[in-house]
Amino acid sequence: AQSVTQLGSHVSVSEGALVLLRCNYSSSVPPYLFWYVQYPNQGLQLLLKYTSAATLVKGINGFEAEFKKSETSFHLTKPSAHMSDAAEYFCAVRTSGNTPLVFGKGTRLSVIA
Amino acid sequence: EPEVTQTPSHQVTQMGQEVILRCVPISNHLYFYWYRQILGQKVEFLVSFYNNEISEKSEIFDDQFSVERPDGSNFTLKIRSTKLEDSAMYFCASTKTRDSYEKLFFGSGTQLSVL
Repeated sequence: AQSVTQLGSHVSVSEGALVLLRCNYSSSVPPYLFWYVQYPNQGLQLLLKYTSAATLVKGINGFEAEFKKSETSFHLTKPSAHMSDAAEYFCAVRTSGNTPLVFGKGTRLSVIA
Repeated sequence: EPEVTQTPSHQVTQMGQEVILRCVPISNHLYFYWYRQILGQKVEFLVSFYNNEISEKSEIFDDQFSVERPDGSNFTLKIRSTKLEDSAMYFCASTKTRDSYEKLFFGSGTQLSVL
């Protein structure tokens, strides 16, 4: 069965600093990987997804993630944090067929002025 | 962008009571899902629904839970006799296809508090 592990339940960065949110996956078959973001009082919104077309995936709001099979990782990065990036970020994995989307525990990102 | 709508945003109920959480998926979507997140824990899959029947369900989705699409627009989750441990944020989601790379459109959630 597939799973994801997000290291760090809370990450705090200064405005303008690099954002790095870690996600490692476990899957016996090639996975589809997703990052979702949840802003306060809103639903989960897709940031980006990996579907095997390219290992470096660019998403909305300047975020990107790189799929590294050798490290079973799909870390989310943004070169320069903005106050509006403060939110909860979820990594998720899905495999072939109608298997459910499996989420990590989430990482809360705080951005300090 | 089209939205999935969930009501209410917050539901408080007494243990043992029945609750119905409501969702309006995106109009041309065919696959519907419920997830939940207990405070501090993972977002967990509960059930998927297609063509008026359950496609898949998790171990959490026991006999106390049921889903229904009573009309052409609503998708509901019923908990027959709530327990304290049912307190969680419940998310509804929908997709147009069942392709694994398809993104799920999520609602903003219903926070269920069982007292």
